[in-house]
Amino acid sequence: NAGVTQTPKFRVLKTGQSMTLLCAQDMNHEYMYWYRQDPGMGLRLIHYSVGEGTTAKGEVPDGYNVSRLKKQNFLLGLESAAPSQTSVYFCAHGQGNGEQYFGPGTRLTVT
Amino acid sequence: GENVEQHPSTLSVQEGDSAVIKCTYSDSASNYFPWYKQELGKGPQLIIDIRSNVGEKKDQRIAVTLNKTAKHFSLHITETQPEDSAVYFCAASIGSARQLTFGSGTQLTVLP
Repeated sequence: NAGVTQTPKFRVLKTGQSMTLLCAQDMNHEYMYWYRQDPGMGLRLIHYSVGEGTTAKGEVPDGYNVSRLKKQNFLLGLESAAPSQTSVYFCAHGQGNGEQYFGPGTRLTVT
Repeated sequence: GENVEQHPSTLSVQEGDSAVIKCTYSDSASNYFPWYKQELGKGPQLIIDIRSNVGEKKDQRIAVTLNKTAKHFSLHITETQPEDSAVYFCAASIGSARQLTFGSGTQLTVLP
């Protein structure tokens, strides 16, 4: 899995519930990213981080928050889940030269 | 922002034939173009990439070409095998953090 693990693998939430997705990488890379993948739409960037303690918004950040307290971990939070957030979430990491290595994904369903 | 279009959305070829997937991008500042292969239930896997100072790159049966003037790049797979069946995504990178903008994907099916 390219040196990255995602927890959990599957989750079902009810509308309004909150949860945190964890991404952990063991490659000591500075850059980490969160994407969501929806059918027919490819992957879209939610948030990213260029180093420990930094975060920035991507293309579709609304409804999500992130934190990078440790270099190896990047957390994605949903404060109040909505059915529109039903998706597969992928974490990726890289050295900042463009190459990104993706985790196995978390499949989230919001009912 | 950057916009990446990918064609075709589905592609079926006979085993041993070649497959070509094409992408166009909108922002001339993009300078890195990776291709990912995604098998069912797995994360995308980087299979080949090209930077804007190079016109073509090969790795065994796969190759990528880049036309900066026309702002398009293509993936070529020769001598296709059933294990090449997967969804392929192109992407373009821009920005100091090398954020990727992805195309919508091509489902490649190699028929035995």
